[in-house]
Amino acid sequence: GEEVAQTPKHLVRGEGQKAKLYCAPIKGHSYVFWYQQVLKNEFKFLISFQNENVFDETGMPKERFSAKCLPNSPCSLEIQATKLEDSAVYFCASSQFRGADEPRNEKLFFGSGTQLSVL
Amino acid sequence: AQKVTQAQTEISVVEKEDVTLDCVYETRDTTYYLFWYKQPPSGELVFLIRRNSFDEQNEISGRYSWNFQKSTSSFNFTITASQVVDSAVYFCALNNYGQNFVFGPGTRLSVLP
Repeated sequence: GEEVAQTPKHLVRGEGQKAKLYCAPIKGHSYVFWYQQVLKNEFKFLISFQNENVFDETGMPKERFSAKCLPNSPCSLEIQATKLEDSAVYFCASSQFRGADEPRNEKLFFGSGTQLSVL
Repeated sequence: AQKVTQAQTEISVVEKEDVTLDCVYETRDTTYYLFWYKQPPSGELVFLIRRNSFDEQNEISGRYSWNFQKSTSSFNFTITASQVVDSAVYFCALNNYGQNFVFGPGTRLSVLP
């Protein structure tokens, strides 16, 4: 598709429940990024993938967060045992970086986000 | 380490005024991208511009213009003749070719009628 599709748009979970978010990158894009934005403030990088391989996971709270990008499936971000502070908008983005030869205005394509509310 | 600073937390202007949003970045890399994104009240992220580190040519797109100064590590964004619809949070971001993006804290722009 020509847009990054994130589902669901809204997700409500009780504290301690599991939450699973999905992201379908733009077809042909090999990089996928997940970001967390709390209260429309700063973006916190969580994890990135190059195809199905983890590229950078330095931002992931590993004890409860996990993510996958499997072939022919949407990427997923899963939070086990959600906490109140996990309430945020989770953005997924995809892109295709080819270094210095890329078109000048190639952009990182963001999905519209999943609003997670933990009660 | 990479870092993006947007010193202006909030700016208010009256419609038709010009406004400049500042962005200063830090990186040890010699090749990188710089971006500006707009986040209106509806929450989505709207791409505005991407600039390669080796391309210091300034850019104008309608009422928007960008001033990239590699010598001062700045990538400032100017809106000419601002409009109420320009009200949003604007984020500057830095990326090193395929690595994760580092976003600034954002500048909330309010354009008053």
